Amino acid sequence: NAGVTQTPKFRVLKTGQSMTLLCAQDMNHEYMYWYRQDPGMGLRLIHYSVGEGTTAKGEVPDGYNVSRLKKQNFLLGLESAAPSQTSVYFCASTSEAQETQYFGPGTRLLVL
Amino acid sequence: GQNIDQPTEMTATEGAIVQINCTYQTSGFNGLFWYQQHAGEAPTFLSYNVLDGLEEKGRFSSFLSRSKGYSYLLLKELQMKDSASYLCAVTDGDYKLSFGAGTTVTVRA
Repeated sequence: NAGVTQTPKFRVLKTGQSMTLLCAQDMNHEYMYWYRQDPGMGLRLIHYSVGEGTTAKGEVPDGYNVSRLKKQNFLLGLESAAPSQTSVYFCASTSEAQETQYFGPGTRLLVL
Repeated sequence: GQNIDQPTEMTATEGAIVQINCTYQTSGFNGLFWYQQHAGEAPTFLSYNVLDGLEEKGRFSSFLSRSKGYSYLLLKELQMKDSASYLCAVTDGDYKLSFGAGTTVTVRA
């Protein structure tokens, strides 16, 4: 039981490049989330999903797209990276009871 | 909208007690979480309060007053390993969490 895993752990991009961050969970959770964490600003919700095939916008969705084709996976895409997207990205999942969210180890992204 | 406030930093001595306050003004409220986050790591769950009152879990306790929009996390018998950021988060019951900016606690010997 690995919990929530994220790929990659670290990435450097040039402005304008694209990439996809992968989140996988093996707890059969319905709900999955993508956050970014910046110094002094806490965790901010980018997009979330309440089930396979569904996605919704969070607090800071601009510049990102997501897909939830399989229940266990939640992908975050950056079509054209910008330096403002330099951040640490966390994925999380939770069950119907929502008594806690389980977080992945994070992906550190640097956009030059 | 969501407005969640907590102090930026706190420092305490090993063995002491520290209380981290969190005040919130949110459009909906279903419960309040506290998470611990060590530097460079993911947040991990500490507590979840839905009803008013104090919940105790070993050295850590969490209190909630829904009418006052207020919570605190109490850390007793501080240990060096308790040096971390502590995140207050509110759920509106609509599957989402809103986080405060976090309180960095430094424990000194």
